[in-house]
Amino acid sequence: DSGVTQTPKHLITATGQRVTLRCSPRSGDLSVYWYQQSLDQGLQFLIQYYNGEERAKGNILERFSAQQFPDLHSELNLSSLELGDSALYFCASTKLRQGTGELFFGEGSRLTVL
Amino acid sequence: AQSVSQHNHHVILSEAASLELGCNYSYGGTVNLFWYVQYPGQHLQLLLKYFSGDPLVKGIKGFEAEFIKSKFSFNLRKPSVQWSDTAEYFCAVTINNTNAGKSTFGDGTTLTVKP
Repeated sequence: DSGVTQTPKHLITATGQRVTLRCSPRSGDLSVYWYQQSLDQGLQFLIQYYNGEERAKGNILERFSAQQFPDLHSELNLSSLELGDSALYFCASTKLRQGTGELFFGEGSRLTVL
Repeated sequence: AQSVSQHNHHVILSEAASLELGCNYSYGGTVNLFWYVQYPGQHLQLLLKYFSGDPLVKGIKGFEAEFIKSKFSFNLRKPSVQWSDTAEYFCAVTINNTNAGKSTFGDGTTLTVKP
């Protein structure tokens, strides 16, 4: 158990819909990262938040957005879903503001878009 | 931007065989290097990491990796694999002292160990 909690574990939805994935970081961790793992593109960095503020942005689509709340949990919002958005979405956390340390990953949220 | 290449997409070995998974990164500055493992149905977890010092680092479960700066490589090794090592292995790099917080991951290598 890494201490990072993600919900839901599995989600099946239809194209055009919107979903929200939730992540609670390890106790004391201020940085939250979101990664997308799909079969054809490996593990892709989406976005990082530190203590409520966006710190770094990767290959995140405009249809996707994220935020980190005062209690440090984070949500990833995916809208106007397409078939290609089907993937495993991982959240990871670390204490550090900068990405120099080990990441602790949650078990992921598996999204299936039909 | 930095990138990470893992040479082998899928490796199949018999138990007791030796393992070496290749990882190369592209960045000329100081980096921190990691190997993560993802067992079937589980989350990624850290195998080992290199920040500085001895370039040969030892991790959990008998794994080790060697940082060769001149070759921009951080290959993962294990002298004798077990069936339980069947998993996906990811190499990752972060740039030290940067405002960019992300770790860049390789595409992963799937290891299948036959009993």
